[in-house]
Amino acid sequence: DAKTTQPPSMDCAEGRAANLPCNHSTISGNEYVYWYRQIHSQGPQYIIHGLKNNETNEMASLIITEDRKSSTLILPHATLRDTAVYYCIVRAPPNTGNQFYFGTGTSLTVIP
Amino acid sequence: DAGITQSPRHKVTETGTPVTLRCHQTENHRYMYWYRQDPGHGLRLIHYSYGVKDTDKGEVSDGYSVSRSKTEDFLLTLESATSSQTSVYFCAISESIFSAGPKNIQYFGAGTRLSVL
Repeated sequence: DAKTTQPPSMDCAEGRAANLPCNHSTISGNEYVYWYRQIHSQGPQYIIHGLKNNETNEMASLIITEDRKSSTLILPHATLRDTAVYYCIVRAPPNTGNQFYFGTGTSLTVIP
Repeated sequence: DAGITQSPRHKVTETGTPVTLRCHQTENHRYMYWYRQDPGHGLRLIHYSYGVKDTDKGEVSDGYSVSRSKTEDFLLTLESATSSQTSVYFCAISESIFSAGPKNIQYFGAGTRLSVL
C-alpha cells in the first residue's frame, strides 16, 4: 500500500497561497490521491482528490506531478480559518481493512 | 457533517464498564467506519461495515466490537473499557470502497471524546 510523507508543520501568511506538499513515491497506477483537513477538535473534512490531472474546486487546487510521485495542495488565499492539520492520503487497494491511511499530516498555521 | 450524528459527544466512564457509542447517518451510504484518534498516531481504523450485519476488522480492533442492524446505525462497543481506550472516536461513511474516485470519499462525524478513568 502506498504511503505518504508530509512535512509536520508549515506557516502561511493570511491572504497568501498555502502550498502543502506530499510525497507518495510508491503510488500505483490506479490509486487516487485524497486530501482532507481537520480543524481542531472537529472531524476530518474532505477537500479534494485526483488521479493524474490537476484538479480544482471551491476549496483548493491539487497539482499532481507527471510521474505521480508527489502532489501539492494549494489554498489560493489562506485565511485564519484554514489553520488545521492537512492529510494527504493514497487510497489503499480494495479488500483491505484499511481503506485510508491517515498519517500525522501537516499542521498548517495561518498567521495574521 | 454530511448527515452523520455521533452520540454521545463526550463520555467519562470507569475501567471495566461497558460503553456503546452510536453513529447515525441519513445519507443511506452502504459503508460505515469507526476510527480512533490519538496524539502521534493520526486516525486508525477500528472496524468497518459494508452492509447490514456485515462488518470486518480494521487495524486496531482488539477490545472493540461493532454491530449494524440497520443501514443508518453503526454501534461501537467497548465490552470492558480500559484506560488505553481513552481517545477520540470518529465515525465515517462512504458510498463505496471498491470504486476509486468520488464514491470512495469518506465523510466524518464530529467525534466522541471518551475518557476511561
